[in-house]
Amino acid sequence: TQLLEQSPQFLSIQEGENLTVYCNSSSVFSSLQWYRQEPGEGPVLLVTVVTGGEVKKLKRLTFQFGDARKDSSLHITAAQPGDTGLYLCAGPYSGTYKYIFGTGTRLKVLA
Amino acid sequence: DTAVSQTPKYLVTQMGNDKSIKCEQNLGHDTMYWYKQDSKKFLKIMFSYNNKELIINETVPNRFSPKSPDKAHLNLHINSLELGDSAVYFCASSPREAGWSYEQYFGPGTRLTVT
Repeated sequence: TQLLEQSPQFLSIQEGENLTVYCNSSSVFSSLQWYRQEPGEGPVLLVTVVTGGEVKKLKRLTFQFGDARKDSSLHITAAQPGDTGLYLCAGPYSGTYKYIFGTGTRLKVLA
Repeated sequence: DTAVSQTPKYLVTQMGNDKSIKCEQNLGHDTMYWYKQDSKKFLKIMFSYNNKELIINETVPNRFSPKSPDKAHLNLHINSLELGDSAVYFCASSPREAGWSYEQYFGPGTRLTVT
């Protein structure tokens, strides 16, 4: 059982389309982070959400933290080929030092 | 300047050998980690050190031994390599906020192939 489940697992869309990636857990997280990983590289931090209900925007990317701090979403508007990559949610598992990664969403944006 | 660096980038070796991966961070972070990313791209924590002290040791074979000579360095030594050890290993560091580490800064990874 994975503590952080992401959906969809794979997503292939055309340039200009919108998409949403979900990150769900049955546990409460004090914060959640989103990363993007490109082939041959390490994950790169995109954003941290801390407060339940929080919404953060990073250009065409919108991140939301659920009210109960058990889930998060990433919405991309007008996707571009440069958005292609592996998107990972992650967070510190409450009450431990452990840092948990989600199952990942592989996004491919076709020109 | 590179924030988190790892060497080597690629490592190809035979079963039974012993190998080491080195990691250095110049971010001034207190906490460093080793992660293993499998062929399905799932990232799993292996070890975490805070100020040279081991704070997380997941269910990892004892053939894997981390060593932190100072808080800027965390090395990973692997004895008696097995085929199943083939993966990409990432080093990461993070600052500590309110007692809990969170945002991770990753190195470029070391692709280990055991033949």
